[in-house]
Amino acid sequence: AQSVTQLDSHVSVSEGTPVLLRCNYSSSYSPSLFWYVQHPNKGLQLLLKYTSAATLVKGINGFEAEFKKSETSFHLTKPSAHMSDAAEYFCVVSVGGGATNKLIFGTGTLLAVQP
Amino acid sequence: GAGVSQSPSNKVTEKGKDVELRCDPISGHTALYWYRQSLGQGLEFLIYFQGNSAPDKSGLPSDRFSAERTGGSVSTLTIQRTQQEDSAVYLCASSLAASGGYEQYFGPGTRLTVT
Repeated sequence: AQSVTQLDSHVSVSEGTPVLLRCNYSSSYSPSLFWYVQHPNKGLQLLLKYTSAATLVKGINGFEAEFKKSETSFHLTKPSAHMSDAAEYFCVVSVGGGATNKLIFGTGTLLAVQP
Repeated sequence: GAGVSQSPSNKVTEKGKDVELRCDPISGHTALYWYRQSLGQGLEFLIYFQGNSAPDKSGLPSDRFSAERTGGSVSTLTIQRTQQEDSAVYLCASSLAASGGYEQYFGPGTRLTVT
């Protein structure tokens, strides 16, 4: 079965310092992986996606993620945090083919950015 | 262009009443999904539509939950005899096609409170 595990429920960084949000996946075949962000009282927005092309994926707002098959990881990074990055981040795997097509969400990582 | 819209944005209902939640997907999107976000369960898949048919209803938590989609567009999620554990934010998403590589665009959600 496909699943994702977000290793940290809360991460706190200072403005201007790097961000690392960790995600490990479990999949029996090459997965499609996503990072979504949810700002307070806002909808879910796609940050970036991996669909078996380049292993280093660039997303919006300076975020990027690297797919590492050997480590079954898909960690999200940003070189320099901004106050506006404070939000909840979800690592997501897509389950598709056959009679289904759905997203399986991780439990989320709440990112706090300190001034 | 217009995104996914949902109505109502908030719904308060008494235990035992029926509720209907509506989703208008992005025009031209053939796939539509319902998810639920709650404190205890995180973000979980409910049902997936391809056109007007629902190949995967496996996430519906009980037979009190049903959904339909008409004209390949609007979808309605119905909860009968609501219970307090049904309180959650119900999210609708749509995608251009039913494949893991296609982004799912999310609506703002309907916050359901059962008193």
